[in-house]
Amino acid sequence: EVQLVESGGGLVQPGGSLRLSCEASGFTFSDHYIDWVRQAPGKGLEWVGRSENKANSYTTTYAASVKGRFTISRDESKNSLYLQMNSLKTEDTAVYYCARDNGFGFWGQGTLVTVSS
Amino acid sequence: DIQMTQSPSSLSASLGDRVTITCRASQGIRNDVAWFQQKPGKAPKSLIYGASSLQTGVPPKFSGSGSGTDFTLTINSLQPEDSATYYCHQYNSFPLTFGQGTRLEIQ
Repeated sequence: EVQLVESGGGLVQPGGSLRLSCEASGFTFSDHYIDWVRQAPGKGLEWVGRSENKANSYTTTYAASVKGRFTISRDESKNSLYLQMNSLKTEDTAVYYCARDNGFGFWGQGTLVTVSS
Repeated sequence: DIQMTQSPSSLSASLGDRVTITCRASQGIRNDVAWFQQKPGKAPKSLIYGASSLQTGVPPKFSGSGSGTDFTLTINSLQPEDSATYYCHQYNSFPLTFGQGTRLEIQ
């Protein structure tokens, strides 16, 4: 069974940092694209960024709103994807989801990040 | 950026009805469209990919169509559990984008 489990959310002050994790199971981690998608409270879905698969050298792409502040990385040994978030702003407050492949057939349950003083 | 204009933003329908939600892309995106259902406090659930292919385990009361710039999601025989917000999504090119959502209420 395909599973994606996010963790690492919490309360952080503006300007602070946080690292989210997405642990994958039930499939060959290196074969698949995995993206981060976020949803601010009461709002719609916003794509954050992508890590392509190993065949594409784990190339990363980011939304303009987070480029230069957020970094996506992978640890194959742990079947985990990470989202390092620096210079956090209040507008980064959201539930962060990881989702697999074009069309996002599988999603994690999400982890809440609150940026507030 | 490709804009996905989804309509209506909300609708109310009765048990057993059929409803259609539309999404228009600001430029041609072949059939690189997915549809999701989201219930309050839950992660989105994939319904349709490739504009018209049903995800495994999704009942055939859900169907998608379209290509190019115009896409539709149709839900037949509405039941109380279909009450949710529905989103379209294009994965043709970066940045990936979503429609603003359609809140469906079942009377």
